Amino acid sequence: QSVLTQPPSVSGAPGQTVTISCAGSWSNIGAYGIHWYQQLPRTAPKLLISDNNNRPSGVPGRFSVSKSGTSASLAISGLLAEDEGRYYCQSYDSSLSGSVFGGGTNLTVL
Amino acid sequence: QVQVVQSGAEVKEPGSSVRLFCRASGGTFSSSAFNWVRQAPGQGLEWVGRVVPVLDLGEYAQKFRGRVTIKADKSMTTASMELTGLTSEDAAVYYCALQDDLEPAARFAFWGQGTLVTVSS
Repeated sequence: QSVLTQPPSVSGAPGQTVTISCAGSWSNIGAYGIHWYQQLPRTAPKLLISDNNNRPSGVPGRFSVSKSGTSASLAISGLLAEDEGRYYCQSYDSSLSGSVFGGGTNLTVL
Repeated sequence: QVQVVQSGAEVKEPGSSVRLFCRASGGTFSSSAFNWVRQAPGQGLEWVGRVVPVLDLGEYAQKFRGRVTIKADKSMTTASMELTGLTSEDAAVYYCALQDDLEPAARFAFWGQGTLVTVSS
């Protein structure tokens, strides 16, 4: 059971917008930043976006994040086939004194 | 650009230990921390622990305390993780991930390619 809760899967047609939620608590998302990672099939995860929509160079503006209280969301607009993969949220948890991940969400582009 | 390269796959017997390595290049890492994250087959990501080289400080997930040691060398470009008392549940791909800030809540900015650890008799 992951400390951060994500839906197991989401799907959308090309061009649509999908949202992936990440629910936590006041000891993690409510107190610390949240980061999102993309893991494409058979590859290592890579940093996608952080709080305040801070994206590494090369990550398109189609990816955006929001946070409210103890929850956060990742939105992907203009869905492309190449976006298909697994997405993870991650934060720090003061009760556990360590980083925590969500269970991951599989994105399927229909 | 920053690259993180990990050591090769390992096959270990139950009860033994494994030591994995990763090396960062293409930047300066005096304000970085090396983390280890593992992924069991078909499962999600699990944080194992981290080392802050400039502080020579290791921090570990509760689940692994007493069984894992993460160190960095004085050049602050190479880190290692030793996991003892291996069981079948430790079979996973282990990723080295670099935080580009010393804060525990910093993002995992750069990832290695992963090292497969197989535990089998």
